[in-house]
Amino acid sequence: AQTVTQSQPEMSVQEAETVTLSCTYDTSESNYYLFWYKQPPSRQMILVIRQEAYKQQNATENRFSVNFQKAAKSFSLKISDSQLGDTAMYFCAFTAWGYIFGTGTRLKVLA
Amino acid sequence: GAVVSQHPSWVICKSGTSVKIECRSLDFQATTMFWYRQFPKQSLMLMATSNEGSKATYEQGVEKDKFLINHASLTLSTLTVTSAHPEDSSFYICSAPDTYDEQFFGPGTRLTVL
Repeated sequence: AQTVTQSQPEMSVQEAETVTLSCTYDTSESNYYLFWYKQPPSRQMILVIRQEAYKQQNATENRFSVNFQKAAKSFSLKISDSQLGDTAMYFCAFTAWGYIFGTGTRLKVLA
Repeated sequence: GAVVSQHPSWVICKSGTSVKIECRSLDFQATTMFWYRQFPKQSLMLMATSNEGSKATYEQGVEKDKFLINHASLTLSTLTVTSAHPEDSSFYICSAPDTYDEQFFGPGTRLTVL
C-alpha cells in the first residue's frame, strides 16, 4: 500500500525566516511523482512544487525548494524568506496513478 | 496554467434529494478526472477516477450507487450524490491532469445536507 505521512500537524515561522515541512512516503513503485500543494483559506489547491522520482536533482521554485531523498523516501519542503501569504495548509502528495495526500501541515507565518 | 471549474461552488439540499456537481476543464481536454472529498481540517481523500467513455473506478469503501460519476465528454465530469444524507456533507474537489500529467484542481464544492 502507498502512504504519505506528514508528522507536523501545525507549524509557525516568523516572517522572513526559513521553515521546513516534512513528508515521508512509502511505495513499491519505481516511477512516481511527488508534489507539495498549498491550500489557503479559499480552499483552492495550488501546486507549489513538483519532483519526478527519476530526477536526482532537487526541484526549486523561487523561495520553495525540496530535499528529495529517494532511498529514505523523504520529501521535505523548505520555504525561504517566509511571507504572510504563505500561511496555509500544505499537503504532500504522491502519485503513480491517482493521488494520495498526506494529512497536511498547517503553517502560520507570524508578522 | 490550465483551469478547472466546478459548479456549483456551494449547495444546500434536503435529506433524500440528489445533487449533481460538475467539473469542467476549460482550456484542455481531460480523458481522466479525479474526485476527492475533504472533511473540515482534514486531507483530501480520493473517491474515484473518472474516465471518459468508460466506467469510473472507485476507491475502496466508496459506494458506487451513492456517488454516481459520469464522464460525458473530454471536458466534463459530473458527480451525483444520490439520496443525500447529512453525513454526505463535505467539500468535494475535482482535478484533471493536463498533457504533462500536472494536476489542476477545481475550486471545490461545499455540500450541506440538511
